[in-house]
Amino acid sequence: DTAVSQTPKYLVTQMGNDKSIKCEQNLGHDTMYWYKQDSKKFLKIMFSYNNKELIINETVPNRFSPKSPDKAHLNLHINSLELGDSAVYFCASSQRLAENTGELFFGEGSRLTVL
Amino acid sequence: AQKITQTQPGMFVQEKEAVTLDCTYDTSDPSYGLFWYKQPSSGEMIFLIYQGSYDQQNATEGRYSLNFQKARKSANLVISASQLGDSAMYFCAMRDHNYGQNFVFGPGTRLSVLP
Repeated sequence: DTAVSQTPKYLVTQMGNDKSIKCEQNLGHDTMYWYKQDSKKFLKIMFSYNNKELIINETVPNRFSPKSPDKAHLNLHINSLELGDSAVYFCASSQRLAENTGELFFGEGSRLTVL
Repeated sequence: AQKITQTQPGMFVQEKEAVTLDCTYDTSDPSYGLFWYKQPSSGEMIFLIYQGSYDQQNATEGRYSLNFQKARKSANLVISASQLGDSAMYFCAMRDHNYGQNFVFGPGTRLSVLP
């Protein structure tokens, strides 16, 4: 069973379109994240949700809107796609623990290409 | 603000030799966790090893060990007996309370193992 699954793995789309990436985790974790990995491989947090509540919202254009219908799902919707949105988007989950233990479990990534 | 520094953009090591990948961090939180992840060319993120700030001993996991020097704020990854399959990007990450228990990643080091 896949612990963190995200779909689709690949998206190729035109500028100006809207797209969504879905993410589900079956680990029972209470925190989910979206990370963006750019062409230089740098990983940057976009959003973090804890039990469906938004915890972290980094400086991300408001064209990006996360939605968490329940604590096992965190979807990412992107409006009016731009060339600079091309990247790999990783969904991840972890358990919030007092001593900062608990590693991050990643999905396989969704490679978005905007033409 | 949290920060993770990995000063080696790229490293080469001969097969069967040991290699050390550097990581320094900055935080004002006395409680934090340090993590290393491997990203092979296939793109998935693989958790390797964890070190807690209160752990007295350096973490080890198989061929991976973490050289934790708290006073110097460094958490270097040591890979012993390198294998060709170790060729990948390696990311150091930190989790603390200052940032909602978010994981902040360093820029990564690309390791190439030579036959």
